[in-house]
Parts: sequence; C-alpha cells; structure tokens
Amino acid sequence: EPEVTQTPSHQVTQMGQEVILRCVPISNHLYFYWYRQILGQKVEFLVSFYNNEISEKSEIFDDQFSVERPDGSNFTLKIRSTKLEDSAMYFCASSPFLTSGGTYEQYFGPGTRLTVT
Amino acid sequence: AQTVTQSQPEMSVQEAETVTLSCTYDTSENNYYLFWYKQPPSRQMILVIRQEAYKQQNATENRFSVNFQKAAKSFSLKISDSQLGDTAMYFCVWTPFSVGNTPLVFGKGTRLSVIA
Repeated sequence: EPEVTQTPSHQVTQMGQEVILRCVPISNHLYFYWYRQILGQKVEFLVSFYNNEISEKSEIFDDQFSVERPDGSNFTLKIRSTKLEDSAMYFCASSPFLTSGGTYEQYFGPGTRLTVT
Repeated sequence: AQTVTQSQPEMSVQEAETVTLSCTYDTSENNYYLFWYKQPPSRQMILVIRQEAYKQQNATENRFSVNFQKAAKSFSLKISDSQLGDTAMYFCVWTPFSVGNTPLVFGKGTRLSVIA
C-alpha cells in the first residue's frame, strides 16, 4: 500500500540555522499539508498546498516558513532561521483531489522530529 | 474558532474487553466531518473511522464504532474486543465540509494501552 514518507526522521539544528524537511506524498495525490506537534500539545495545522501554491495557512506559518514542490514528487517545508520554539514533530500529509464537496482522508507520514538547540 | 477536547489523556483496557474514548468539540458550522485517527508507537497516523455530520446513523468499522451526538457535540469511539495491536494514541479530529480539502483540527489525544 502506498505511504507518505518523510526524511529525516530526526533533525538536530542550532538556533538561527535553516532547515529543510522533506516529504514524498502518495503519487496520485494532489493536496499536501504540513502539521506540527510540540511535545505534549495538540497537532496543529501549518499549511496546505494545491496546484503549486499555498491554498491555506495558519497564523503559525509566518515569513520564516516556506513550502515548495521542487520536482513533482517531493514536498518540502523550509524554516529559514530556526528558533527554540520550533522544536516539534512535523507531519506531512497528502490527500487525493475530490471532485464534489466533501473531504477525503488525509494520509500522514511518520513525522520528522526537529530539535533546535 | 473550532476546538476539539479529549478529556482522557490516558486509558487502559484488558485484552478482549470494550473501551470508550470520549471527545467533545465546539463549532458553529452545521456541516462537517469527524474522524478518529490512530497513531501506534513509532508509526504513521492512520484513519480509524469517519462520520459525516449530516448522517444520523453512527459509523462502524468492524470492532470500531462511534456514538455521534450532534446536539451535544459529542463524538465517542468504542473499541470492542480490544486487541494488543490497538495500543496507540487516538486523536479525535474535526474538519468543515467544503469543496476541496480543508485543515484538520485535532484534539490532544488519548493514549490507550491494551493489557494482556
């Protein structure tokens, strides 16, 4: 069964450094998402992406964050200058296009644990 | 803003017994979806069951069933004949009904342990 994959599984970086988290969504899916979960807190939506542009973003997704689909298979989340409070588990998800109103299941990757020191 | 509350941070159940996980939510929307996602230790989150708010009938998937009370904004998950493989974090999730896909709103999760 196809799965969403994410690399790396764990990333340690110093405050102020740039990080890129990578995701490979399921191949025939057209909607892509990033969520994060700070330890002990809720999973929170960051951004959704469709047709090569951001379709929705939360207030967490400020100018330090960006997303890209560089080559038609990868979907990346970049944090330009990491802060201590960016330490979290970051989940990528994808879902297929829906032709009528309604919601398809979002398929999640295993997550990347980001530790900012 | 929509919120989802899971009041049980941890629960345990004996193998083969039945357990119910609670969830309440707050929304002013009339049409929406509710889900239970399961995240086993060190593995992906996977969808367990979904409920459309416009359907009165409670969803069931094999040993998993829900009790959806729209007026009370309550959405509990019942697991029958619990198995060791049911050990996981369970998230109650809400999303509005919309054309295209929409962000998921998560509860904090309930960690369920199934004991042999």
